[in-house]
Amino acid sequence: DTGVSQNPRHKITKRGQNVTFRCDPISEHNRLYWYRQTLGQGPEFLTYFQNEAQLEKSRLLSDRFSAERPKGSFSTLEIQRTEQGDSAMYLCASSIGGGTGQPQHFGDGTRLSIL
Amino acid sequence: GENVEQHPSTLSVQEGDSAVIKCTYSDSASNYFPWYKQELGKRPQLIIDIRSNVGEKKDQRIAVTLNKTAKHFSLHITETQPEDSAVYFCAAGDNYGQNFVFGPGTRLSVLP
Repeated sequence: DTGVSQNPRHKITKRGQNVTFRCDPISEHNRLYWYRQTLGQGPEFLTYFQNEAQLEKSRLLSDRFSAERPKGSFSTLEIQRTEQGDSAMYLCASSIGGGTGQPQHFGDGTRLSIL
Repeated sequence: GENVEQHPSTLSVQEGDSAVIKCTYSDSASNYFPWYKQELGKRPQLIIDIRSNVGEKKDQRIAVTLNKTAKHFSLHITETQPEDSAVYFCAAGDNYGQNFVFGPGTRLSVLP
């Protein structure tokens, strides 16, 4: 399967714990995006990488959130000291680069539930 | 930053009728406008996109129109089928993948 892969699919944790999610993009894609989606809402942009460089980060993103893409391939999203409001679906998407808008392909997401 | 609005939030049509969903955006730098379909519990899937150098694009029963002057774009689905029932999201962004914003979604129900 050459699509975007996300792990784990589900994560249940207690408030205050740290969690880390992984995203493996489509292999030739150099752009990688993280989004958060809550029920009944559209995906909300969190951050974006071009290769290993983090080029954009939502100003709504708490400093408890950090993302990395160390070798320009897979990416991790970590949430420290989780709160109830962090419960959501975390989606990863990837696209090829270039000077024109390119379609983003989404993974199945990681559903985070905070107890 | 970019702000994308989408209307209506819910839409019910009879099978075989057409459905139209409209979006507006605020950032004149946006020049890439995709539409995604999301079925319950599944990933968003791209169904059609348009770039600012064209005014209309068609793919079988689906078409998108763009008015850059007015900063709005629309999705048109003709001859709707029950399997078209889903939530549809519009989005806007620039050429370099930045400032990418999704609309709040439209829940389309196609009634048999």
